[in-house]
Amino acid sequence: EIVLTQSPATLSLSPGERATLSCRASQSINIYLAWYQQKPGQAPRLLMYDASNRATGTPARFSGSGSGTDFTLTISSLEPEDFAVYYCQQRTDWPITFGQGTRLEIK
Amino acid sequence: VQLLESGGDLVQPGGSLRLSCAASGFTFSNYAMAWVRQAPGKGLEWVSFIDTGGSRYYADSLKGRFTISRDNSKNTLYLQMSSLRAGDTAVYYCAKGEGSNSIYDYWGQGTLLTVSS
Repeated sequence: EIVLTQSPATLSLSPGERATLSCRASQSINIYLAWYQQKPGQAPRLLMYDASNRATGTPARFSGSGSGTDFTLTISSLEPEDFAVYYCQQRTDWPITFGQGTRLEIK
Repeated sequence: VQLLESGGDLVQPGGSLRLSCAASGFTFSNYAMAWVRQAPGKGLEWVSFIDTGGSRYYADSLKGRFTISRDNSKNTLYLQMSSLRAGDTAVYYCAKGEGSNSIYDYWGQGTLLTVSS
């Protein structure tokens, strides 16, 4: 099973700041990594897929990068609605796996 | 696109339950579907996947207790669960695949399964 490790577990930042979230895979997953955002009481929402492609409706302040085992989700300038939990997910191999999540909280 | 899960309930350990996910707003038969669960206060855990041809995949931890299926004539996805344990307590989400793959572009609001005596 491919293990995805996200860091940090919690990120405390202020609106307007830049956020950098990391996801590391236990083996190469090529570019087949997605990012999801989840707010309290809501279902997850697809943000990015295949490492660097924005899903429909994802604002341009979100960007993704990486390949192989190391991936990054960057939010260039945080808006109040961006504070949430973020999960990465790989689809290279079965079983599909998610990272444990990064909580982005307001400082 | 709408995905509406139902069937969540309070079940005793060892019991069985079937979850349903009614899909609308897209041609259901053309898309892969999946179940993802989230235990209270925990992260996302992938459960199962079924593609358009009926091929099925499961999380290793389920050890044959869960069965995913779909009825394209009813635009509905199912998850049959048996030998339920306390650790299966979670909100169960159904998710639509982007095409035939495991990029989950739409999610339902989830249905809560509680396994407790």
